[in-house]
Amino acid sequence: GQQLNQSPQSMFIQEGEDVSMNCTSSSIFNTWLWYKQDPGEGPVLLIALYKAGELTSNGRLTAQFGITRKDSFLNISASIPSDVGIYFCAGRVGGYNKLIFGAGTRLAVHP
Amino acid sequence: DGGITQSPKYLFRKEGQNVTLSCEQNLNHDAMYWYRQDPGQGLRLIYYSQIVNDFQKGDIAEGYSVSREKKESFPLTVTSAQKNPTAFYLCASIGPTNEKLFFGSGTQLSVL
Repeated sequence: GQQLNQSPQSMFIQEGEDVSMNCTSSSIFNTWLWYKQDPGEGPVLLIALYKAGELTSNGRLTAQFGITRKDSFLNISASIPSDVGIYFCAGRVGGYNKLIFGAGTRLAVHP
Repeated sequence: DGGITQSPKYLFRKEGQNVTLSCEQNLNHDAMYWYRQDPGQGLRLIYYSQIVNDFQKGDIAEGYSVSREKKESFPLTVTSAQKNPTAFYLCASIGPTNEKLFFGSGTQLSVL
């Protein structure tokens, strides 16, 4: 079946550093979504990407839809302590019942 | 406030017991979804419903059941047939013109 490989699995960084994480797949997707999840809460949508090559920003966050439609990355610039959490990518082909999630990147920020 | 409300936040199940997790939305969304989250894994789809009185199995439907009698409500029952029910359960919804999936705050189910 379709799978998403999300990396890195975890990151421990200093406040102020930039962060980069990515998702890759052998399958083609027509939508990429990036979510952040705080402990014990539901994921919150950060950025949605709909076209190959699309580059979208949301404050300090920037995400890109890969040209091949098989990958996406998320960058966080100048990290702050509240960036701590788990970041998930999700790829969609067809309906939302076809949404595939990565295993998540756990981010820790040291003040 | 519009949103998706899941209850309870924490739930404990005894051996052989069925338990029901509630999911209510006031977003007027047609489609609703139930996901299961285990530590270190991505979300996995249990059941989904695209319209009232209709629902479909997801990737891991065994041991679960749902109903969709009202547009606003999509309860999930974890039956005694689900042998490993401990997980974080997430409900989500999407409207007809919205390309984005929104989540509730989740229910943590544990076995006593």
